[in-house]
Amino acid sequence: QITLKESGPTLVKPTQTLTLTCNFSGFSLVTRGVGVSWVRQPPGKALEWLAVIYWDDDKRYSPSLNNRLTISKDTSKNQVVLTVTNMDPVDTGTYYCAHRTTAGAIDVWGQGATVTVS
Amino acid sequence: DIQMTQSPSTLSASVGDRVIITCRASQSISYWLAWYQQKPGKAPDLLIYRASVLESGVPSRFSGSGSGTEFTLTISSLQPEDFATYYCQQYNSFSPWTFGQGTKVEI
Repeated sequence: QITLKESGPTLVKPTQTLTLTCNFSGFSLVTRGVGVSWVRQPPGKALEWLAVIYWDDDKRYSPSLNNRLTISKDTSKNQVVLTVTNMDPVDTGTYYCAHRTTAGAIDVWGQGATVTVS
Repeated sequence: DIQMTQSPSTLSASVGDRVIITCRASQSISYWLAWYQQKPGKAPDLLIYRASVLESGVPSRFSGSGSGTEFTLTISSLQPEDFATYYCQQYNSFSPWTFGQGTKVEI
C-alpha cells in the first residue's frame, strides 16, 4: 500500500524559505518510471502543480515559480523535500505530495500540509 | 506552458443526470490526461488516466474520452456522492504539468 505524508511548518513569515518533507512508503524512488510530485491549493482555489522528481533524479518545475523551487530526494530515507524561497502571503495554502505512477499520472496523494504565510 | 481550460466552471445537476465536463489543452498532449475528483477538505482522487483508462476501484459510471487537445469526462448517471469538484491535468513528460481550473458539480 502506497502512502505519503507531508510535514513542515504551518506558519512562515514573508520572505522566509519554506521547507516541506514528504515521507513515503510502499514504493521506491529508484524504480524506473516512478516519481513524486508536489501540488498546492490556495484556500478555495484550484490545484496548482509545482514540481516533480523522477527515479533518475530528473526534475521539472512550474515555470511560474521555477526560480523559487527546489525539489530533491533521499532514496535511503524514502523522502522528497521541496523548498520554496521568498514566501509571500499568496503562497498560503495546502501543499500535497503525491506518487507518480509508471503510467504517468498521480494516483496516490498525501493528506496535505497547511501552510500560512503571515 | 500548456494551458488547460475546463468548461463549465460550475455545473448544476440532479441525481440521475448525465454530466459532461470538457477540458481543452492549448497544444496537443496526445492522451496524457488525467481526471481527478476532489471533495471539500480532502486530497483529490484519481478517476481516469491516459484520457480514458478507468482507475481501479472507480465506478463504471465515470468515463473519459479524447486525444490531442479535446477531452471529456462523462458521468453517466450522477449519484449523490459525485457532487464534488473535478480537475483535469496534463502530464506530458516533455512539459511542465498543469491542471485545469476545476469544475464544481452542485445540486
